Amino acid sequence: NAGVTQTPKFRILKIGQSMTLQCTQDMNHNYMYWYRQDPGMGLKLIYYSVGAGITDKGEVPNGYNVSRSTTEDFPLRLELAAPSQTSVYFCASSSKSGGGGYTFGSGTRLTVV
Amino acid sequence: AQKITQTQPGMFVQEKEAVTLDCTYDTSDQSYGLFWYKQPSSGEMIFLIYQGSYDEQNATEGRYSLNFQKARKSANLVISASQLGDSAMYFCAMVGMDTGRRALTFGSGTRLQVQP
Repeated sequence: NAGVTQTPKFRILKIGQSMTLQCTQDMNHNYMYWYRQDPGMGLKLIYYSVGAGITDKGEVPNGYNVSRSTTEDFPLRLELAAPSQTSVYFCASSSKSGGGGYTFGSGTRLTVV
Repeated sequence: AQKITQTQPGMFVQEKEAVTLDCTYDTSDQSYGLFWYKQPSSGEMIFLIYQGSYDEQNATEGRYSLNFQKARKSANLVISASQLGDSAMYFCAMVGMDTGRRALTFGSGTRLQVQP
């Protein structure tokens, strides 16, 4: 199984540009999450989804949007990129039961210049 | 809401020795789970160990054990017989089970360096 697949792995954006970070999981997990990790810090929750069509804000949602039209896909949209959005972005998924069943993607390293 | 505190930004340990990484948590949920993740320099998040709030025994996974003290709200990670490959960032995280959110809350991490 592929698990959680994120694309792209690296991206450089200019200030004001927009982009979509893609996230796909093949484990039929209901729950999906987007986190950002700034250098030397822990992961902070941007948005999460408890199922197709249902999304909600996390700790740091400003400047981002998400959608969840299918169980498999959970794209993260950056509008009007700013240098403060330079970070590593992780997508993750889990089943309803929680426990040890969180799977993380390999991350997207985004630089805004 | 959940909060995780890791007070050790960096730790050094000699190869083959044991090391304890501290983690305290705060939550109003009655049911919750505690996790430890390892993040090597390559950047991926590697799951190490999980402890449920109602588990009576401390979790163990190979050289990793979680010292769970519920009354103190602590969930320290113990790594026995450290290896050079254990050098990495370590994150404590938790999830509250009383609501449907299920998102992990992470601490700020501890950088462990294993010295030969």
